[in-house]
This record gives sequence, C-alpha cells and structure tokens, in this order.
Amino acid sequence: AQSVTQLGSHVSVSEGALVLLRCNYSSSVPPYLFWYVQYPNQGLQLLLKYTTGATLVKGINGFEAEFKKSETSFHLTKPSAHMSDAAEYFCAVSEWGAQKLVFGQGTRLTINP
Amino acid sequence: GAGVSQSPSNKVTEKGKDVELRCDPISGHTALYWYRQSLGQGLEFLIYFQGNSAPDKSGLPSDRFSAERTGGSVSTLTIQRTQQEDSAVYLCASSYRGNTEAFFGQGTRLTVV
Repeated sequence: AQSVTQLGSHVSVSEGALVLLRCNYSSSVPPYLFWYVQYPNQGLQLLLKYTTGATLVKGINGFEAEFKKSETSFHLTKPSAHMSDAAEYFCAVSEWGAQKLVFGQGTRLTINP
Repeated sequence: GAGVSQSPSNKVTEKGKDVELRCDPISGHTALYWYRQSLGQGLEFLIYFQGNSAPDKSGLPSDRFSAERTGGSVSTLTIQRTQQEDSAVYLCASSYRGNTEAFFGQGTRLTVV
C-alpha cells in the first residue's frame, strides 16, 4: 500500500530564509507525486507535480521539488521565504491507474518576520 | 463554473440526523473525488467517480456514508444517522482525467453536536 511521510508537523523559518519541507513515500510502482498548499479555511491548491520526465519540478510561487527515486523522496524547497508562504503543505502520491491521492499528515509552515 | 463549488460551506447538525453535502465540479471534468479532513486522521480518500459510476469507494468509513453522481456532474455525499466522529471538513475535487491535476473546492465543515 502507498504511504506518505512528512517529517515535521511544524516548520518555522525566518523571512528570506530557505524553506525545506520533507516528504518520503512508499510505493510499489513509480508514483505520481504532488505538493498541495492549504491556506486557512480554504481548499487545497496544487503547487507542483511530478509525473514523468525531469526530476526537478518547478511550481508556483517560487517553489520546486526534486524526485529522488533512490531515496523515495520528494522534498519541497523555496530559496527565500515570504510571509505569504505561511500555510499548511501536503505531499501526496498516486499510482498510475489508481485515481485516488494518498496524503501525508501535512506540515504547517510559519514564517517569522 | 470557474471552480469546484461545495455547499453548504458550514453545516451544524444534531447527532442522529442525516446530512447531504453537495459538490459541483468544474464543467467537463469527468473525475470527481470526495476526501475528508479531520484533526486526528488528516486527509482521507472517501470515494472516486468516473462519470456517474464509482469504481473506487474503498474509503467510505461505514454504510452510513453513501454518494451519488448524476448527469456526470453534481455529486451528493450523504451521511445517515450522523455521529460526533463524523465532524470534519469534507472536500470535493475534480479532474479532467485521473492522475492529472485535481482541483479542490473549499470544503464543507460539518459539525455534529
């Protein structure tokens, strides 16, 4: 069965600092991988996704993630945090042919001024 | 419509009552998903529709939960004889095809008192 582990339920960084949110997955077949962001009282918005091809994926708002098959990881990074990045971030996986997303527990990102 | 629309946005109900939650997907999206987001369980898959059929309903937690989709569009999630543990945010998402970007609605916050 698929599973997703996000290391750190809460991450706090200073404005302008590097953001690194960790995601590891387990899957018996090559997966599709996603990062979603959720702002308070809102639904989920897709930041970026990996399906096939280039393993470094660029998304919206300056975020990017790298698929590392050998490490079964898909960590999310942003070089310089902005106050507006404060939100909850979810990593998710789906297998080709399986329609549902399996989510990690989420990481709440706080930005300190 | 422009996005996935869910109604109501908030619902408070008494234990034992039935509730219906509605989802209007993005026009033309053939796939529709229901997820539940709760503090203890994170984001859980409930059911997936392709057109009007539900090939994967493996996430429905009990027979009190049911869902239907008509005309390949609107979907209704029904919870019978609600219990306090049903309190959660119910999120609907749609996509043009599975394994591509799923667009989420803002959710229905259900509180069972």
